[in-house]
Amino acid sequence: ETAVFQTPNYHVTQVGNEVSFNCKQTLGHDTMYWYKQDSKKLLKIMFSYNNKQLIVNETVPRRFSPQSSDKAHLNLRIKSVEPEDSAVYLCASSYGLGDYEQYFGPGTRLTVL
Amino acid sequence: GDSVTQTEGQVALSEEDFLTIHCNYSASGYPALFWYVQYPGEGPQFLFRASRDKEKGSSRGFEATYNKETTSFHLQKASVQESDSAVYYCALGDTNAYKVIFGKGTHLHVLP
Repeated sequence: ETAVFQTPNYHVTQVGNEVSFNCKQTLGHDTMYWYKQDSKKLLKIMFSYNNKQLIVNETVPRRFSPQSSDKAHLNLRIKSVEPEDSAVYLCASSYGLGDYEQYFGPGTRLTVL
Repeated sequence: GDSVTQTEGQVALSEEDFLTIHCNYSASGYPALFWYVQYPGEGPQFLFRASRDKEKGSSRGFEATYNKETTSFHLQKASVQESDSAVYYCALGDTNAYKVIFGKGTHLHVLP
């Protein structure tokens, strides 16, 4: 049963465009994350939000920005996409930070032409 | 910093074979250790966790035992099925950095 929802499933866009991805969790968790997964299935943490506050901001390009309206929602905006941004973006949530299991959404596949 | 190493990038087995995927970690203290599985077209799913030396985690026929001495948390299953074909991730909870560190993943292919 899906409890972490992501939209859209797929997005194809041109270099330089702006895109936004949405994530919602219905698990009542306090912490949400964005990951980037490349074609080799490597998972890279991008951002973590705990109770609407940014806790971890990995060294991602400035064109990426997370946005959270409440602890159940976490969006990701990419201001001007580059070809290397093509990947699957995974949203996840957990009860807390660090040593709690995470629950993932199905991902949004971004293709930059 | 903390790290997780999965030795095998790809594993190919036949149905009913015994599975071992190796996972070693580097961290101080007793970090929580996890296994996740990702099926094609889906996000990773939590399998199980362990957080104490010699603790065994298990789910869906898979199991792993926390070994502080060898800093390992190897995934095993006695008899794999074609439906087990997926990517398996070992992960470590880094409470100092408030994040989970994932290994590179192991692609398991089970042939009928």
